[in-house]
Amino acid sequence: QKEVEQDPGPLSVPEGAIVSLNCTYSNSAFQYFMWYRQYSRKGPELLMYTYSSGNKEDGRFTAQVDKSSKYISLFIRDSQPSDSATYLCAMTVGSSNTGKLIFGQGTTLQVKP
Amino acid sequence: DSGVTQTPKHLITATGQRVTLRCSPRSGDLSVYWYQQSLDQGLQFLIQYYNGEERAKGNILERFSAQQFPDLHSELNLSSLELGDSALYFCASSAGQGRNHEQYFGPGTRLTVT
Repeated sequence: QKEVEQDPGPLSVPEGAIVSLNCTYSNSAFQYFMWYRQYSRKGPELLMYTYSSGNKEDGRFTAQVDKSSKYISLFIRDSQPSDSATYLCAMTVGSSNTGKLIFGQGTTLQVKP
Repeated sequence: DSGVTQTPKHLITATGQRVTLRCSPRSGDLSVYWYQQSLDQGLQFLIQYYNGEERAKGNILERFSAQQFPDLHSELNLSSLELGDSALYFCASSAGQGRNHEQYFGPGTRLTVT
């Protein structure tokens, strides 16, 4: 069993829809939870990160962490065709010395005009 | 643009050969990380350096090695290459000092081993 599980999709939605992307994890020591966006053949781009449990909002993006369920989500409001990409969740224990990120497999999202 | 640069963008080489991938971190970042991305394994952590010292190792093969130089750029050396080493190799950097989770990725080097 992988430490981080993410449904690879693909997920196809119409423009303007609310998108929900999710990951589950097994390591209760994870403290930092990141979401990256990766366009085809490009490097992952850090969208946002959350420390421990709770919500964080940044524009059209909202990240949620439920440590009791070992479940994290990314919501995208008013989705746009430019949001079409692969979304990767990543997690780390959060040591001050090391920063090994454990990634999910990524979910491919297509937003249709 | 994340500020992390990687060269070369593409590399095609034969089995058994050795290659070197180069990475320059964002200005001011002290930590450099190397990741491998393949279709079957996803994005996998290889190794981390902080200010010239190795800090963490993932499932990095013995044929692979890395180092970080005094000017903070890093190189990943891959030797005795096999077909299965074909992948995207990413470098990331972070400020370190408690901000290791905030990693910014370069554009990657696509390695093809024939």
